[in-house]
Amino acid sequence: GIQVEQSPPDLILQEGANSTLRCNFSDSVNNLQWFHQNPWGQLINLFYIPSGTKQNGRLSATTVATERYSLLYISSSQTTDSGVYFCAVGDTGFQKLVFGTGTRLLVSP
Amino acid sequence: GAVVSQHPSWVICKSGTSVKIECRSLDFQATTMFWYRQFPKQSLMLMATSNEGSKATYEQGVEKDKFLINHASLTLSTLTVTSAHPEDSSFYICSAHAGGARGTGELFFGEGSRLTVL
Repeated sequence: GIQVEQSPPDLILQEGANSTLRCNFSDSVNNLQWFHQNPWGQLINLFYIPSGTKQNGRLSATTVATERYSLLYISSSQTTDSGVYFCAVGDTGFQKLVFGTGTRLLVSP
Repeated sequence: GAVVSQHPSWVICKSGTSVKIECRSLDFQATTMFWYRQFPKQSLMLMATSNEGSKATYEQGVEKDKFLINHASLTLSTLTVTSAHPEDSSFYICSAHAGGARGTGELFFGEGSRLTVL
């Protein structure tokens, strides 16, 4: 099955810093989503981005499907950005997602 | 965005008992829902695909007799952990595509249910 690797596994930032999270996947995909899992476990949808670039406030994401990677950019990080960021991909229509290994982010004041 | 709701959020039970978790799509119909499990500090792993009106499809290594899934309506899927044991303690989370008129493959997740088996 499709493999999804995220890097870095852990990231510590000072409040106000910028960061880039990467997601590599092993095969063609027709669905790619980025999620933020908060300390209570809830998954927050950040981007639905099987290809192209999107921006939402301080966050933006780019997926280069032909090269099998996606990037999540966080600018001017805040302590509330702390948590785990997951990339998840799907390769068959409106079907299941395979989750990546996650990046654990800690933003300190 | 589409809303998926789970209940209960937390459940503690004794070893050997059964626990039912509900997953509802609140503002859309979902012919397919997905159940994931997450152990501490790990990623989410798909357990099974719940299909409205038919049998669930289980991932390799997931015991279908232990994790009973029922998808009796277009807005409700249930996961029952039967004869729960401490090793079943985990975070269970369901998801669904809004699909239909929304037209995209975006998956939405419930709040999750944290199960602790004593």
